[in-house]
Amino acid sequence: TQLLEQSPQFLSIQEGENLTVYCNSSSVFSSLQWYRQEPGEGPVLLVTVVTGGEVKKLKRLTFQFGDARKDSSLHITAAQPGDTGLYLCAGHVTDSWGKLQFGAGTQVVVTP
Amino acid sequence: GAGVSQSPSNKVTEKGKDVELRCDPISGHTALYWYRQSLGQGLEFLIYFQGNSAPDKSGLPSDRFSAERTGGSVSTLTIQRTQQEDSAVYLCASSPKGLAGTYEQYFGPGTRLTVT
Repeated sequence: TQLLEQSPQFLSIQEGENLTVYCNSSSVFSSLQWYRQEPGEGPVLLVTVVTGGEVKKLKRLTFQFGDARKDSSLHITAAQPGDTGLYLCAGHVTDSWGKLQFGAGTQVVVTP
Repeated sequence: GAGVSQSPSNKVTEKGKDVELRCDPISGHTALYWYRQSLGQGLEFLIYFQGNSAPDKSGLPSDRFSAERTGGSVSTLTIQRTQQEDSAVYLCASSPKGLAGTYEQYFGPGTRLTVT
């Protein structure tokens, strides 16, 4: 059973469209991170959110941490082909700071 | 500066053989993590080191899996008597002790293990 549930599993959109990826759990996390992974490479950290209700923006990417610190979302505005990749959310459970719990990922494909 | 490196990048082995996978973390990072990723899946936590000790080994799938870290730097993940279900990409990450408990992790490119 996945501690973090990501949805959708796969998303295919045209360049210029917007998209949102969701990450949900019944557990509370001390912090939550979003990574992007491209084929043959390790995940690359995009952002860390630590405060309930926090919103962070990274150019066209907007990340939100739920008030109860159990869920998060990633919104991409005007997607570009370079946004293609596997997006992973990962959280630190409050009593185990060393271990990251990962979601199964959302594969995003942006076509020109 | 140099990132996390892993070797080999690819390893094909016969069922029943032992394999060793190596991870060189970012210099100065005290924490080191091993994960396993099956095709199209998220990452499965295996083990975590703080310095040379492993406070959390809870993710190791069986006693065929072991890992060590020496000098607070290089780590080796050893899989004995490999099975076909061990085929996956093995990822290593390192982390400085972050502020406010964030503990951001930096990943290597992974070792793709194929057991035939």
